[in-house]
Amino acid sequence: AQTVTQSQPEMSVQEAETVTLSCTYDTSESNYYLFWYKQPPSRQMILVIRQEAYKQQNATENRFSVNFQKAAKSFSLKISDSQLGDTAMYFCAFTLSGTYKYIFGTGTRLKVLA
Amino acid sequence: NAGVTQTPKFQVLKTGQSMTLQCAQDMNHEYMSWYRQDPGMGLRLIHYSVGAGITDQGEVPNGYNVSRSTTEDFPLRLLSAAPSQTSVYFCASSYRATEGVEAFFGQGTRLTVV
Repeated sequence: AQTVTQSQPEMSVQEAETVTLSCTYDTSESNYYLFWYKQPPSRQMILVIRQEAYKQQNATENRFSVNFQKAAKSFSLKISDSQLGDTAMYFCAFTLSGTYKYIFGTGTRLKVLA
Repeated sequence: NAGVTQTPKFQVLKTGQSMTLQCAQDMNHEYMSWYRQDPGMGLRLIHYSVGAGITDQGEVPNGYNVSRSTTEDFPLRLLSAAPSQTSVYFCASSYRATEGVEAFFGQGTRLTVV
């Protein structure tokens, strides 16, 4: 069975600084996809970034980037130049190729401090 | 384009009452699913559907029923509410045809069973 682990329940960062959120996963499959979702206080789940397991290049989206280490089964999210609007719960998620079930981690609550 | 619409946003039920959480999407997505979000447990899959007329159980299906009579709608029924069903419920949808598809989420329903 696939699992996703987020070991940091809460984190804080000063505005304009950089923070890294950790995620590890477990699977015996080789084709899968990884996601980071953001859930602000409004509760709306928003896709931050997506990584295909077959791609070695780390995905980036503006201030958000990932460090994907396939052998270590690690998928961390780096937020650069943190903004107050980045305050949210962040979920790491996993889905196998050919399936549509998303497996979510328990989330990391990030607070950006002014 | 409304995306995924969930109603109601908040609901209080008495133990033993029944109710239906509504979910509709206007993106012609084939895949729809229901999750519950509990503190420290992330999002857990309740039921899902890969198309009209097809549904299947997820990780935590007990106490819930679903049906998918149209592509657009995927209601979740609580047959006899219990305090253990107090949670935030999310409906999600995604395209079927593309690998590693992004899931689009509704805004969630906060349900309290007293």
